[in-house]
Amino acid sequence: SAVISQKPSRDICQRGTSLTIQCQVDSQVTMMFWYRQQPGQSLTLIATANQGSEATYESGFVIDKFPISRPNLTFSTLTVSNMSPEDSSIYLCSVLRRGNTEAFFGQGTRLTVV
Amino acid sequence: AQKVTQAQTEISVVEKEDVTLDCVYETRDTTYYLFWYKQPPSGELVFLIRRNSFDEQNEISGRYSWNFQKSTSSFNFTITASQVVDSAVYFCALSEAGDYKLSFGAGTTVTVRA
Repeated sequence: SAVISQKPSRDICQRGTSLTIQCQVDSQVTMMFWYRQQPGQSLTLIATANQGSEATYESGFVIDKFPISRPNLTFSTLTVSNMSPEDSSIYLCSVLRRGNTEAFFGQGTRLTVV
Repeated sequence: AQKVTQAQTEISVVEKEDVTLDCVYETRDTTYYLFWYKQPPSGELVFLIRRNSFDEQNEISGRYSWNFQKSTSSFNFTITASQVVDSAVYFCALSEAGDYKLSFGAGTTVTVRA
C-alpha cells in the first residue's frame, strides 16, 4: 500500500469561500484521483489528476468549481471554489501504483459549509 | 457504462455470526476488476480484496472470503465469525482496464452487536 497524507482532515468553511485540499503520497504513483462522498452516500469520481496537465473531469464536475493541480508524481491539490452548503462532503484522494490495479485512499477531508 | 448494485442497505448481526454482502455489476468490458472496500466510522476507506475478471477462483483470506461468478455478474463477500470491529460500511466497486476509475455501489452498513 501507499502512505497517503491528506490535509486538512476536516474544516468548517463559510459559503462563498474556497478550500484547497492537499494529497501527498510517499512514493511515485501512476494515477491520482479525487472522489466526493456526500452525506450518507456512496463515492463519486470528480476527476483524474494528470501530472503536468489539466485534470480529466467526470460528467457533472467542472474545472471552475473544482480546480485540480498535480505538479509532480507524488502531490495533488483539489480546490472547492465558491462553496455552498451543498458542497458539504467528504473529499478523498486516491492513488494507484504502477503495476497495481487496487486503489488506495487518503483519510479524507470532511468539509462542512455553513 | 459500468454499474454496481448493492441491494442490501443495512445488515445487523450478533457477534460470531457470518455476514454475506451481495454485489451485482454491469460492464461491457471483458477485462475488469472488482473490489471490496471497508469504511469504518472514522471515515477512511480501506482496501480489502480485489478480483480480476479473468480469474474466477474463489479464495479465503483470514475471516474474509469471496464468491465471484461471471455467469451471474456477482461478487459476493463474506465475513466469517463477525466481530464488533467489523461494523462499518462496505462498498463493492468496479474498474475497467485502461482507466482504473472506480464505480462504487451504494454501500451496505454492517452492524455487529456484542
